[in-house]
Amino acid sequence: GDSVTQMEGPVTLSEEAFLTINCTYTATGYPSLFWYVQYPGEGLQLLLKATKADDKGSNKGFEATYRKETTSFHLEKGSVQVSDSAVYFCALYYSGYALNFGKGTSLLVTP
Amino acid sequence: DTAVSQTPKYLVTQMGNDKSIKCEQNLGHDTMYWYKQDSKKFLKIMFSYNNKELIINETVPNRFSPKSPDKAHLNLHINSLELGDSAVYFCASSQGRDGNQPQHFGDGTRLSIL
Repeated sequence: GDSVTQMEGPVTLSEEAFLTINCTYTATGYPSLFWYVQYPGEGLQLLLKATKADDKGSNKGFEATYRKETTSFHLEKGSVQVSDSAVYFCALYYSGYALNFGKGTSLLVTP
Repeated sequence: DTAVSQTPKYLVTQMGNDKSIKCEQNLGHDTMYWYKQDSKKFLKIMFSYNNKELIINETVPNRFSPKSPDKAHLNLHINSLELGDSAVYFCASSQGRDGNQPQHFGDGTRLSIL
């Protein structure tokens, strides 16, 4: 079935470092792709999305490009802050009308 | 102002008991979901309702029974709780069955079985 695979964490970075969290997908068609973020003790929040190939989603300095040729949707940020510490989930929306999530990548940014 | 609210936030109970978790959304959405997040943070869809009609029922034990009295509410009742039911349960909602629309999540209900 349709699924996503994202890199294992935890990822620890110093403030202002460059962030990449890898995500690849397997799907029969071209599903919408999402990144959600979960801050400690909270529910998930949509970070960004892309609905078709070559679309770039961006929000709060984060970016991800829907790449059909590599079936990827990697999350990047040029300069992380301590406040970015959270768990990041890659997800796709499949024909069952729900999100199929990756296993999450925990990010810790240190001062 | 809370868009998707779940109650209770924490639920501690003994094995074998029956419990319910309530979810309400004030976004006017017509589709609601229940997800389960295990101790390793893995999130999995349990149920999805569209206009009060069950759309998705993943391989969830029949001890779990969702109830949608109206489009704004999707409650989860769990019978004969087991240790493996300990998890965080998230309710979510979205508009329509279009995969382009984002889902809005509640803050979760942490269920602990003693």
